[in-house]
Amino acid sequence: EIVMTQSPATLSVSPGERATLSCRASQSVSSNLAWYQQKPGQAPRLLIYGASTRATGIPARFSGSGSGTEFTLTISSLQSEDFAVYYCQQYNNWRTWTFGQGTKVEIK
Amino acid sequence: QVQLVQSGAEVKKPGASVKVSCKVSGYTLTELSMHWVRQAPGKGLEWMGGFDPEDGETIYAQKFQGRVTMTEDTSTDTAYMELSSLRSEDTAVYYCATLSLIAVAGPSWGQGTLVTVSS
Repeated sequence: EIVMTQSPATLSVSPGERATLSCRASQSVSSNLAWYQQKPGQAPRLLIYGASTRATGIPARFSGSGSGTEFTLTISSLQSEDFAVYYCQQYNNWRTWTFGQGTKVEIK
Repeated sequence: QVQLVQSGAEVKKPGASVKVSCKVSGYTLTELSMHWVRQAPGKGLEWMGGFDPEDGETIYAQKFQGRVTMTEDTSTDTAYMELSSLRSEDTAVYYCATLSLIAVAGPSWGQGTLVTVSS
């Protein structure tokens, strides 16, 4: 099973600052990596797929990079609505999906 | 664009079974690989199983094998996930999620179905 490890667990950031979230896979997942944002009581919202493609309607301040085993989600200038939990997910293998444990982005 | 609409919340007693539905629109089920994910209160996302189009079979996470059954009705483009022998630890929001087999796109998710297991 591919294990996805996110860091840090919690990120304290001031509004307007940049946030950088990391996700590492235990083996290569090529570019089959998605990032989600989740707020309390809501379903995960797809932000990025294919490691770097923004989903429909996602603001340009969200960007994804990486391939293989190392991935990054960058939020260039945090807005108040961006404080949430973020998950990475690999879907390289049809036979199993795995998720990171999440990074909580909180207001500093 | 695919849209997924799930059935409503359920309350079940320990030992019972629950069947959650996921209605697809915008695509047909045959154009998608359907998966199910759950999230216990305050916890992360947990993959339960999904359809492997390369082998044409449904794969279940080892944790759920023997208790979960995922089926599809292509005549109505509706997928189902049934979980049996429910226990309190199965209290969670259950999501259906899909990947397109015909287009390059990210996973699409349903709105979630809360299943509460309580005596």
